[in-house]
Amino acid sequence: KNEVEQSPQNLTAQEGEFITINCSYSVGISALHWLQQHPGGGIVSLFMLSSGKKKHGRLIATINIQEKHSSLHITASHPRDSAVYICAVLGGNQFYFGTGTSLTVIP
Amino acid sequence: DGGITQSPKYLFRKEGQNVTLSCEQNLNHDAMYWYRQDPGQGLRLIYYSQIVNDFQKGDIAEGYSVSREKKESFPLTVTSAQKNPTAFYLCASTRGAPDTQYFGPGTRLTVL
Repeated sequence: KNEVEQSPQNLTAQEGEFITINCSYSVGISALHWLQQHPGGGIVSLFMLSSGKKKHGRLIATINIQEKHSSLHITASHPRDSAVYICAVLGGNQFYFGTGTSLTVIP
Repeated sequence: DGGITQSPKYLFRKEGQNVTLSCEQNLNHDAMYWYRQDPGQGLRLIYYSQIVNDFQKGDIAEGYSVSREKKESFPLTVTSAQKNPTAFYLCASTRGAPDTQYFGPGTRLTVL
């Protein structure tokens, strides 16, 4: 049983396309995180959300607490956006992680 | 520059040997975490520590041990009791929940 489910698992897009990655969770949370993992393995935190919407450059993250759902959007995608995007939720003192969405943006 | 360092980046060990992975942070964070990442799976929590000299088991603590003698350091020992130790290990820290988690670059352990 996974507390966090992401979709799609894999995504290929043409440069410039609008991309959406979805995350659903089943536990009560105090915050949701979107993380980016590059091929070398390092992970960077993109957003931390507890409600509403956040925007950073071409990235937008939204969360609907009632529906236990979050989305990560990338506008005007670029090959450098190619990475694995991971949704993580903080329930109690513990983080629960999705299995990630592998995004490839083709020039 | 503040951050988390893990060493080494790649580690090879023979089966049956214990090995210790280093994790150091200079962010003055109270909480530190060790995760294991396997292909096709989400990160799984091995151990976490919210304060010096205290730590808690995560979901997959069997075959691992940790210590937290200093705020900056949270080393992980992979013991010979761990049945399948080959994996990518990530260390992370936060000021306290809820807060952004900062990750180290990871150590890829291969047991031969």
